[in-house]
Amino acid sequence: NAGVTQTPKFQVLKTGQSMTLQCAQDMNHNSMYWYRQDPGMGLRLIYYSASEGTTDKGEVPNGYNVSRLNKREFSLRLESAAPSQTSVYFCASGRHILETDTQYFGPGTRLTVL
Amino acid sequence: DQQVKQNSPSLSVQEGRISILNCDYTNSMFDYFLWYKKYPAEGPTFLISISSIKDKNEDGRFTVFLNKSAKHLSLHIVPSQPGDSAVYFCAASAYNNQGGKLIFGQGTELSVKP
Repeated sequence: NAGVTQTPKFQVLKTGQSMTLQCAQDMNHNSMYWYRQDPGMGLRLIYYSASEGTTDKGEVPNGYNVSRLNKREFSLRLESAAPSQTSVYFCASGRHILETDTQYFGPGTRLTVL
Repeated sequence: DQQVKQNSPSLSVQEGRISILNCDYTNSMFDYFLWYKKYPAEGPTFLISISSIKDKNEDGRFTVFLNKSAKHLSLHIVPSQPGDSAVYFCAASAYNNQGGKLIFGQGTELSVKP
């Protein structure tokens, strides 16, 4: 049981380049989330998908787009990367059926934008 | 506007002693609170949670206390062990209002010294 997987693990981009971060979960979860972690800022929600076919903005959506490809997969796209997007990105998933349902996180993607 | 705050970036404790990590929140709509633990180069993992209808929840060495009037929660680890050294994030959600989204604090780095 792999849980939540993310690819790639590391990426270096030049300013203006684009890329897509991939996330997949095998727990049959309804909801999926993208966070970024920056020093002193904790984890901030970029976008989330409460169920297949829906996506909504989180706290810091500017500069990002997402696609909920199917129930398993939720991708995050940077159309034109900027140095301010240098961060560690985490994908998470959860059942979101009961209040007590928690979120399960992937191992993260460390992105550097030069 | 930081709705969930962890005002101590770091905490150092001797092995065997109690570790107390604190978290404050401002949104009175939050009704569920969680603590996550994060090791370097890994994703956060769920540790313990508490519903707003309770003021205490225990799980082995970990206890979370909630003071709703003060909008404050704390995580107690007794006894602390070197393997507890990690970054701890508190998180909050308003389940019915925010679709299961979590708002995280900035994190507290706990160091347990042998």
